Amino acid sequence: DQQVKQNSPSLSVQEGRISILNCDYTNSMFDYFLWYKKYPAEGPTFLISISSIKDKNEDGRFTVFLNKSAKHLSLHIVPSQPGDSAVYFCAASTSGTYKYIFGTGTRLKVLA
Amino acid sequence: EAGVVQSPRYKIIEKKQPVAFWCNPISGHNTLYWYLQNLGQGPELLIRYENEEAVDDSQLPKDRFSAERLKGVDSTLKIQPAELGDSAVYLCASSLFTDTEAFFGQGTRLTVV
Repeated sequence: DQQVKQNSPSLSVQEGRISILNCDYTNSMFDYFLWYKKYPAEGPTFLISISSIKDKNEDGRFTVFLNKSAKHLSLHIVPSQPGDSAVYFCAASTSGTYKYIFGTGTRLKVLA
Repeated sequence: EAGVVQSPRYKIIEKKQPVAFWCNPISGHNTLYWYLQNLGQGPELLIRYENEEAVDDSQLPKDRFSAERLKGVDSTLKIQPAELGDSAVYLCASSLFTDTEAFFGQGTRLTVV
């Protein structure tokens, strides 16, 4: 039973265009969400987070949108750069549990 | 600021042998996590420490896995005996507090042959 799903294993985008990575969750108790980026042979690096009291959080080129009714969040990268090529994981948790459930990841390739 | 340091980076062992992984978290971080990442999957929590106390070890297979965090700083994760299915990347992470984002180390890639 996968509570956090990233249904697109891979995504290719041209440099300068928008990258949209999607994540769906099934547990309505999740109220905190994060995105991590992972380069090969490195550990995941925290990118951006969002609390369920918000529907949008922005940090530079990265914006996360949360649609609670659809149990869906997305990460937008604008403009995409070749250095953004990595595997992106979304993760979710419920307040007080401090346990993050990760999705299976989406491999983003930004083409120069 | 130094990040989370793990060693070794790679380990190859024969099945039924013991193996240990070491983690040095970011200085001052009270919370330490050990995650398991199988190929093509996201990280899965094995154990979480608050200082030296293991507050969540519900996902740790206690028949063969053990962990400790003496003095609330460094931590070791041990597998004894290792099985073929234990081949994976073992990630250590730390966070300042439990409800802040975690910073991951580079991981230890274990191959059991």
